[in-house]
Amino acid sequence: GQQVMQIPQYQHVQEGEDFTTYCNSSTTLSNIQWYKQRPGGHPVFLIQLVKSGEVKKQKRLTFQFGEAKKNSSLHITATQTTDVGTYFCAGRTNAGKSTFGDGTTLTVKP
Amino acid sequence: DAGVIQSPRHEVTEMGQEVTLRCKPISGHDYLFWYRQTMMRGLELLIYFNNNVPIDDSGMPEDRFSAKMPNASFSTLKIQPSEPRDSAVYFCASNHNTFEGRTQYFGPGTRLLVL
Repeated sequence: GQQVMQIPQYQHVQEGEDFTTYCNSSTTLSNIQWYKQRPGGHPVFLIQLVKSGEVKKQKRLTFQFGEAKKNSSLHITATQTTDVGTYFCAGRTNAGKSTFGDGTTLTVKP
Repeated sequence: DAGVIQSPRHEVTEMGQEVTLRCKPISGHDYLFWYRQTMMRGLELLIYFNNNVPIDDSGMPEDRFSAKMPNASFSTLKIQPSEPRDSAVYFCASNHNTFEGRTQYFGPGTRLLVL
């Protein structure tokens, strides 16, 4: 079945450093979504990417969808303590099923 | 809108007891999802409904789990009998089938502990 791998599992950075998490699917995706979950909270939708090679920005966050629509990345520039949490990707196939990656947990040292 | 509403927020029960989790999706959303999240297995899709009809229940771990959606504004996830390995956070999510895609709105979750 469809697998979505996300790396790294954990990332610890100093405040102000950059952060990137990568998501790779075993199958071609129709779209990919990114979510953020704060400790003790629930996943909150960040963005959806649909087009091959698409790049979207939200302030310090940059999201990319690969040309083959099998991988994606989330990059945070100059991390802040408010960026702490677990970032999940969720890939959806043309068959309609979404699979979540295992998430990357980001901790930021002030 | 109040968002997705789940109850109870916390549940502690003993092994063998029946557990019922409840969810009220966002009004107008025609898809409803039940997820389970644990440290070991991450976020798992258990089942999802479209227009109150179960579409894919392949993620339901075993016959002890059942889910229903009697109407567009209410769904339940039942575990009978419960076991300690069922301890997890159970999320309900809903969305609307739009051309742009299917952003999922998650509820706050039910934290279940089975002793």
